[in-house]
Amino acid sequence: GENVEQHPSTLSVQEGDSAVIKCTYSDSASNYFPWYKQELGKGPQLIIDIRSNVGEKKDQRIAVTLNKTAKHFSLHITETQPEDSAVYFCAATDSWGKLQFGAGTQVVVTP
Amino acid sequence: ETGVTQSPTHLIKTRGQQVTLRCSSQSGHNTVSWYQQALGQGPQFIFQYYREEENGRGNFPPRFSGLQFPNYSSELNVNALELDDSALYLCASSPRGGLGLYEQYFGPGTRLTVT
Repeated sequence: GENVEQHPSTLSVQEGDSAVIKCTYSDSASNYFPWYKQELGKGPQLIIDIRSNVGEKKDQRIAVTLNKTAKHFSLHITETQPEDSAVYFCAATDSWGKLQFGAGTQVVVTP
Repeated sequence: ETGVTQSPTHLIKTRGQQVTLRCSSQSGHNTVSWYQQALGQGPQFIFQYYREEENGRGNFPPRFSGLQFPNYSSELNVNALELDDSALYLCASSPRGGLGLYEQYFGPGTRLTVT
């Protein structure tokens, strides 16, 4: 089945700097790649997603890139703010179409 | 527009007991998926319901079962609870059918503790 690896597990950045989280997947049939933000005590919140027919997508300070040949995709957050502090999860659909999640990245933005 | 809601928020059960968790999907969504999230890990897919039928299942034993109702709300039932079942149970709804190809929006979850 699908295996999604996510790095780093923790990321500490200064406010205003950029944060980058990288994920790799194993199933070449995967075609949908969402990113979720989870704050303490809450459910995951969909923040951006990308489909296999697109290489890059941007929404204000957040962007996602996808390299299907290398089977990796990345989340980029620019001009980080304290409210960006949370756990971020990448996910990919496996060959059966269900979402397979990475282990998560704890992002800490220090003022 | 009302988001995904789940009840109860927290639950404590004893090993061997049975539990039912409930989810109301987001308005206009007809597909509900359930996930188990252990502490410090990503969500693990349990199963999905579309038009009141199970539409895909993850690697969970049969004591995990579910239902979807005509109003698209859903229940997750777990029998013969084990200590390892302690986790956050998340419900996610999608606006269309199919497995994982469409945006999934999560509820706040139910924290289950098995003692």
